[in-house]
Formats: sequence, C-alpha cells, structure tokens
Amino acid sequence: GAVVSQHPSWVICKSGTSVKIECRSLDFQATTMFWYRQFPKQSLMLMATSNEGSKATYEQGVEKDKFLINHASLTLSTLTVTSAHPEDSSFYICSANPGQGDQPQHFGDGTRLSIL
Amino acid sequence: AQSVAQPEDQVNVAEGNPLTVKCTYSVSGNPYLFWYVQYPNRGLQFLLKYITGDNLVKGSYGFEAEFNKSQTSFHLKKPSALVSDSALYFCAVRDVGGSSYKLIFGSGTRLLVRP
Repeated sequence: GAVVSQHPSWVICKSGTSVKIECRSLDFQATTMFWYRQFPKQSLMLMATSNEGSKATYEQGVEKDKFLINHASLTLSTLTVTSAHPEDSSFYICSANPGQGDQPQHFGDGTRLSIL
Repeated sequence: AQSVAQPEDQVNVAEGNPLTVKCTYSVSGNPYLFWYVQYPNRGLQFLLKYITGDNLVKGSYGFEAEFNKSQTSFHLKKPSALVSDSALYFCAVRDVGGSSYKLIFGSGTRLLVRP
C-alpha cells in the first residue's frame, strides 16, 4: 500500500533553532501534500497545503514566515519551523494525496517537536 | 460549509462486545467520507471510505461503517471489539471546495476496550 515517510520522529532543540521536517511519498507521486499540527488530545489542525512547484496555501492564522513549506519534487515536501520557541512544541503530521479525490490521504507517522 | 461532528469524546466497551463510534456530517452535494485511526505518537491510518455505492462499507481490521443519507451519519462499527482496537478515531469529509482534496476532520473519539 501507499507509504508516506516522515522524518525525524522526535526533535528536541533549544529555543531559537530552526527545525526542518521532511515528508516523502515512497511509492507514489504527490502533487499535493498537507501539513497538520496536533495538540494533546485534540484533532488535527490543517496548517497548509503544499503544492509541488508552487507556493503553499496557508490556512488562516498560520504564519507563513514562521512555518516555511517547500515542495520541490513530486515525492518530497518539507516544513521548516523557523526560530522555534516553546509554544511551537507540538506533534506535526504530514499527509500526501495520491491525486484523485476519492482516494484516501496517506499519513506520515508524525514528528514530535519539543522546544526547550 | 462542510463539517463533521463526533459527539462522543470517549467510547468504552468490553472486549468481545460490538462497538459503535458516531459521526455526522454536513456537506453540500455528495459526501466523500473517511474513517481514520490514530495510535499514540503515530500518524493516522486509513480504515475505510464511502464515495458511492453500497451504504455498508467494509474496511480494515474488521471495521465497517454505515452511510445514512437521511440522517447524515457515517457511524463506525465493529461486531466484536478487541483490546488492541483502543485508539483515537477520526471521521473526515473531503472538502469539495477547490481542487486540493483537503480533509475536514471531526474532533476525534477515544475508544477504550477493556479486557
């Protein structure tokens, strides 16, 4: 079945550090990927839609300069949390769309980000 | 606007008993509905979907869901629960606006199956 790989699984770093998270579709091409943020015991909050070869589409309230998204190829999207602070600590999850509306999105295993 | 509601924060069942996790939706047009499961510190795993056709949809791990258009519901069911089914379950509907196929998720329901 379709697999999405997300790396790293865990990140612990100091305040002010920039952190890059990768999301790869391993056996299919994904023109669209999605980045979510999940707080403890809560649902997924869509942060942005990552479009291959063009700018990401951010949801209302999400800082574009804070959360940089790059989708340079059909199998890789990256999310960079710039100058991270403790309030950015969260569980970040990516998903990839195989390209047809009736197909399910496939999710990575998430990245636990802890900013000290 | 599309929306999904999961009215129960938590569902408790005994192992071997049937389980139901509720989901209702509000969409314009025909809904594309999905169920996902999330285990601790993991991403979401796809269970099943309804696009069209039979109202009873069978999915992974023995789960099924019944699409009810008149009640705008898509409840997740399993005839006999396992302790290993304990997890967080999300219902989702595809946003029909635009071409990005983004999903709108419910708030999630925690299923606890006791031995």
